[in-house]
Amino acid sequence: DTAVSQTPKYLVTQMGNDKSIKCEQNLGHDTMYWYKQDSKKFLKIMFSYNNKELIINETVPNRFSPKSPDKAHLNLHINSLELGDSAVYFCASSQDLIASTDTQYFGPGTRLTVL
Amino acid sequence: DAKTTQPNSMESNEEEPVHLPCNHSTISGTDYIHWYRQLPSQGPEYVIHGLTSNVNNRMASLAIAEDRKSSTLILHRATLRDAAVYYCILRKPRGGSQGNLIFGKGTKLSVKP
Repeated sequence: DTAVSQTPKYLVTQMGNDKSIKCEQNLGHDTMYWYKQDSKKFLKIMFSYNNKELIINETVPNRFSPKSPDKAHLNLHINSLELGDSAVYFCASSQDLIASTDTQYFGPGTRLTVL
Repeated sequence: DAKTTQPNSMESNEEEPVHLPCNHSTISGTDYIHWYRQLPSQGPEYVIHGLTSNVNNRMASLAIAEDRKSSTLILHRATLRDAAVYYCILRKPRGGSQGNLIFGKGTKLSVKP
């Protein structure tokens, strides 16, 4: 069984469209995250959710909105897509946001291409 | 944020040990040292973490200098599957953004058969 899964794996769309990426974890974790990895391979955190509440918003444009229907899911909705949004988006989860020994488990990634 | 410095790339031969260094001279006393790796076209995966003492697990060993200003990830017998980018990350024992995983450039490890 996949611990952290994301759909779709690939997403190709036009500028200006709205799209969503879904993430599910079956680990029973309390915290979930979204990361963006750009073309230069830098991996940066975008959001984290703890018990369905947004904890961190790392200066991401408000076109990006995370939505957590329950503790096991954290979806990423993107409005008015721009060329610069092209990247690989990774979902992750961990048991606890606070503990410095906490381990994050990452999904396989969604490669978003905006044309 | 305390920063880490790693070589951009390293090469190893299959079945030989690999020592991946990381410098973190500005580490604070409560920062944990985490290592993650990212295999090609996959998400990062946890490797190991430690605070002061050396640590061993099924994937690797972590050797931490006595002054904690550097650490070394040791893969005892590299396999082709170990070819990946290895990230050394300092993690603060606090919640919110200060507890984030901050990924640097990492070290790209190539393993030759």
